[in-house]
Amino acid sequence: QSALTQPASVSGSPGQSITISCTGTSSDVGYYNHVSWYQQQPGKAPKVMIYDVSNRPSGVSNRFSGSKSGNTASLSISGLQAEDEADYYCKSYTTSNTYVFGGGTKLTVL
Amino acid sequence: QVQLVQSGAEVKEPGASVKISCKASGYTFTTYYMHWVRQAPGQGLEWMGAINPTHGGTSYAQKFQGRVTMTRDTSTTTLYMELSSLRSEDTAVYYCAREAGEIAVAAKYFDYWGQGTLVTVSS
Repeated sequence: QSALTQPASVSGSPGQSITISCTGTSSDVGYYNHVSWYQQQPGKAPKVMIYDVSNRPSGVSNRFSGSKSGNTASLSISGLQAEDEADYYCKSYTTSNTYVFGGGTKLTVL
Repeated sequence: QVQLVQSGAEVKEPGASVKISCKASGYTFTTYYMHWVRQAPGQGLEWMGAINPTHGGTSYAQKFQGRVTMTRDTSTTTLYMELSSLRSEDTAVYYCAREAGEIAVAAKYFDYWGQGTLVTVSS
């Protein structure tokens, strides 16, 4: 199972919006709506920000949103804040009853 | 509150095995799938496999088949992940993570994570 494809890095200024893409195949992202996104701060464990493509867990800011089209899922962050600077990973359930992560995207807030 | 507390850092020689523990508390241990995820230095997250704590059934990523064993002890609410035939590429932080939603309605995302255990493979 190959890793999902994410851009290595994205950046934006405070207040702006950014989008991170996550491309898989018809056996993972394209098949199920079980795509989740995780934020990882340096030296910390990941934290779920979005699950099932577009749902936010309790406590996650509504500046975070998710969507999917075909084999590509996306995470959008509006009103960028310095605290959003982190690594972001997408993850999908697969038709093999396994999970696959994306390679990760480093978000820099300029 | 849900807590997953992992064992401490390990240093192993190539060819050896390592067994990491993850002590769960704050919820009913047998009703949630548990997963293991690793992260090599400066690299991304990699799913290794999962265990059903109710009966111990496991599912492993193909990459680790034959080298990984995930077990649990319901009396101590502790999970274990053993990786054998270690090589330098296995140097990583290993995390346990709980899958959200009880087993019957498993939600396919991870809501709680352990603090991570660094395993260094070096001669």
